[in-house]
Amino acid sequence: SAVISQKPSRDICQRGTSLTIQCQVDSQVTMMFWYRQQPGQSLTLIATANQGSEATYESGFVIDKFPISRPNLTFSTLTVSNMSPEDSSIYLCSVRGTSGRTYEQYFGPGTRLTVT
Amino acid sequence: KNEVEQSPQNLTAQEGEFITINCSYSVGISALHWLQQHPGGGIVSLFMLSSGKKKHGRLIATINIQEKHSSLHITASHPRDSAVYICAVSKTSGSRLTFGEGTQLTVNP
Repeated sequence: SAVISQKPSRDICQRGTSLTIQCQVDSQVTMMFWYRQQPGQSLTLIATANQGSEATYESGFVIDKFPISRPNLTFSTLTVSNMSPEDSSIYLCSVRGTSGRTYEQYFGPGTRLTVT
Repeated sequence: KNEVEQSPQNLTAQEGEFITINCSYSVGISALHWLQQHPGGGIVSLFMLSSGKKKHGRLIATINIQEKHSSLHITASHPRDSAVYICAVSKTSGSRLTFGEGTQLTVNP
């Protein structure tokens, strides 16, 4: 299994500012993901964080708004840029392990962001 | 229609009751996951299933691949079980997870 920590656990930010969320894993993992969960909604994949190359973004998410870094196999950051109240969400880091031919997926504790 | 459907959306139970949450999916999968999300937002992976049945403490998860259906059971429910339970599938055609809308469970003492 993998243990994931995220910083900060929560923050209240003013519109127009940016926040960087950190994700640290206790073991080396190949695949790391960033999800967003808007109030009352299910999880939505923002991007896959690739080590040593640019992140792969899902439809509706762009690098200018959500820049991602992945400097090594245990750490990643997600920045929410030029925030607006619509960015108020829980942001979750997730990693994938392997178990035979299928995949265990582990989630971090989340970062609860409120934009005022 | 969503590819992963959960029922019920909301469930209230009395402490000690037996609880069942259902998940149906319409795509080919390599695995099905049951996740638990507490009010703070963090998510815990409860089970990953590709066939049969798994048990961990008071939690039991089953899957019927032919019927494309899974159930999560909680025996002797307790107020600390109150959380959102999310069903998610790993499609055979790709590596990403597809999530259900979640079931909000409240267990009253």
